Amino acid sequence: DADVTQTPRNRITKTGKRIMLECSQTKGHDRMYWYRQDPGLGLRLIYYSFDVKDINKGEISDGYSVSRQAQAKFSLSLESAIPNQTALYFCATSDLGSGDTGELFFGEGSRLTVL
Amino acid sequence: LAKTTQPISMDSYEGQEVNITCSHNNIATNDYITWYQQFPSQGPRFIIQGYKTKVTNEVASLFIPADRKSSTLSLPRVSLSDTAVYYCLVGDMYDTGFQKLVFGTGTRLLVSP
Repeated sequence: DADVTQTPRNRITKTGKRIMLECSQTKGHDRMYWYRQDPGLGLRLIYYSFDVKDINKGEISDGYSVSRQAQAKFSLSLESAIPNQTALYFCATSDLGSGDTGELFFGEGSRLTVL
Repeated sequence: LAKTTQPISMDSYEGQEVNITCSHNNIATNDYITWYQQFPSQGPRFIIQGYKTKVTNEVASLFIPADRKSSTLSLPRVSLSDTAVYYCLVGDMYDTGFQKLVFGTGTRLLVSP
């Protein structure tokens, strides 16, 4: 089983619909992230969370919201989806302790298409 | 956060050594250099990290000159399965700003038979 699990893996929806992408992790990491990737481009950070009580905006948070329900769960919501939110979304986790590299562990991605 | 520059794409053949260079002229004293690999429709995967000189693991080597203004990821004897996008990231992992590391567009490596 994957350490970082994203659901759904694929979703097609219509403009104006509310969409939630869910992420759960079994790595016991405090830090979780949501990224977006558009074709041929790198990853852009949407939101990140250092712990359950901490939520931070990334570089492209407009149009998105998040919820950190527990250490292991971090959900991304699109309140009213629009076509330019069509992208591949990745959840990631990390932890930082003595000697760690701050390595990011990614989920398998959620492909969202907004018609 | 330090800005990085790397080639958009590179081509190689199976069995060859591939060196991908990343420029980071404004790297800060506490910054580390990290490389990730991404296959199509998969999340990036950590390859290697270094601060100075040379770091080697089972997958790759990372060469960092004394001035640290650039770094070179070396993949020995590549195979077709090394075809991927490689990202160079620079930042201080102990700084909260590290969480905002920019992946950029990376270097697309194509390995041919």
